[in-house]
Amino acid sequence: GAGVSQSPSNKVTEKGKDVELRCDPISGHTALYWYRQSLGQGLEFLIYFQGNSAPDKSGLPSDRFSAERTGGSVSTLTIQRTQQEDSAVYLCASSLAGLAQMQFFGPGTRLTVL
Amino acid sequence: GDSVTQMEGPVTLSEEAFLTINCTYTATGYPSLFWYVQYPGEGLQLLLKATKADDKGSNKGFEATYRKETTSFHLEKGSVQVSDSAVYFCALSDQGAQKLVFGQGTRLTINP
Repeated sequence: GAGVSQSPSNKVTEKGKDVELRCDPISGHTALYWYRQSLGQGLEFLIYFQGNSAPDKSGLPSDRFSAERTGGSVSTLTIQRTQQEDSAVYLCASSLAGLAQMQFFGPGTRLTVL
Repeated sequence: GDSVTQMEGPVTLSEEAFLTINCTYTATGYPSLFWYVQYPGEGLQLLLKATKADDKGSNKGFEATYRKETTSFHLEKGSVQVSDSAVYFCALSDQGAQKLVFGQGTRLTINP
């Protein structure tokens, strides 16, 4: 497709379970970002991948959160032992290298932890 | 660290009213500034941007001017429409940084 896609669009899980969220960036975009949009709060940066460089993980809120990007394309954000405070919309964005200001966002995955 | 503060919402206006959504920022360097918009049921999209002091970004009748002296980037529109109802996010990207720092968002509702 032409844009950033994310799956699933909605995910409901029980507290303590692990979840995986997927992001397919725009073809040719080497930079990929994950953000979290919590109710009543702004978008919070989580992690950034650029090509084969080590990712910038400075925004990950705890060690329960991890992300990987295989083959420089698709990325998976994993949350282990989910907590209710993890409930949020998780947004993925991609851009061409060095053009952080031209990020294109996906529709997001709404995660609800019961 | 870098931060962005937006006026709190929600904001409700009548069609054709004048709109201002305030945004101020704190940054260590010389950031680029952005307004993003999230229409109901849609993904976040870039509305306008400005990369240096005194630049004016504009799109779809919206404008914002990069004011270094007041560290502000207020969003304005002279005559809003119902279709402008959305959540608006102010954001910055500091020089050399690869992430966007967002404000908390302002929900705008325009009534006919």
